[in-house]
Amino acid sequence: SAVISQKPSRDICQRGTSLTIQCQVDSQVTMMFWYRQQPGQSLTLIATANQGSEATYESGFVIDKFPISRPNLTFSTLTVSNMSPEDSSIYLCSVAPARADYGYTFGSGTRLTVV
Amino acid sequence: AQTVTQSQPEMSVQEAETVTLSCTYDTSENNYYLFWYKQPPSRQMILVIRQEAYKQQNATENRFSVNFQKAAKSFSLKISDSQLGDTAMYFCAFMKQGSLSGNTPLVFGKGTRLSVIA
Repeated sequence: SAVISQKPSRDICQRGTSLTIQCQVDSQVTMMFWYRQQPGQSLTLIATANQGSEATYESGFVIDKFPISRPNLTFSTLTVSNMSPEDSSIYLCSVAPARADYGYTFGSGTRLTVV
Repeated sequence: AQTVTQSQPEMSVQEAETVTLSCTYDTSENNYYLFWYKQPPSRQMILVIRQEAYKQQNATENRFSVNFQKAAKSFSLKISDSQLGDTAMYFCAFMKQGSLSGNTPLVFGKGTRLSVIA
């Protein structure tokens, strides 16, 4: 299965600023997914990122707040813009496996605290 | 749309004992995959076990096994001989078949926090 390197692992940011989270995959993948996990909660899909096209956002998430880049088949970034304390969460990227029965692979997560 | 329900927010088990985590789901799909993921305090999502809906035989992985009841749309996880390292959040997840291109992300339940007590 793919190996994902996600950076940063954690950050503390001032409200009103932006943070960019990076995910590097060790193999080429068609789709990458970005999730948010609020404290003590489950994973909520933010968007699906396909190389060479605009990301597809889920209801409640907008491109201006969470711009995503997908410049090639091994890399993606998620930016959390104009942050507020409500954005304090864990953010995870994920990729689909080459075979569905392998299960999806996840990055190690970015713990974001906005103060 | 698919939904996944985990009705047990928290559970605890004595070390070496057996515990079962419940999961139900709702879908109109006939072919799909089900997964259990473990998330320890490190935040890393770790695949525990997977089940193909077209297989009647329940999946097993060492101390972990599932009870898959397709008609009832139930997918419970049994952990035998519980170990302290099993302490984690456990998420049940659903994926439609035909998603090898990655078009469909996983749908997660709300999770069950399992504590293994020495």
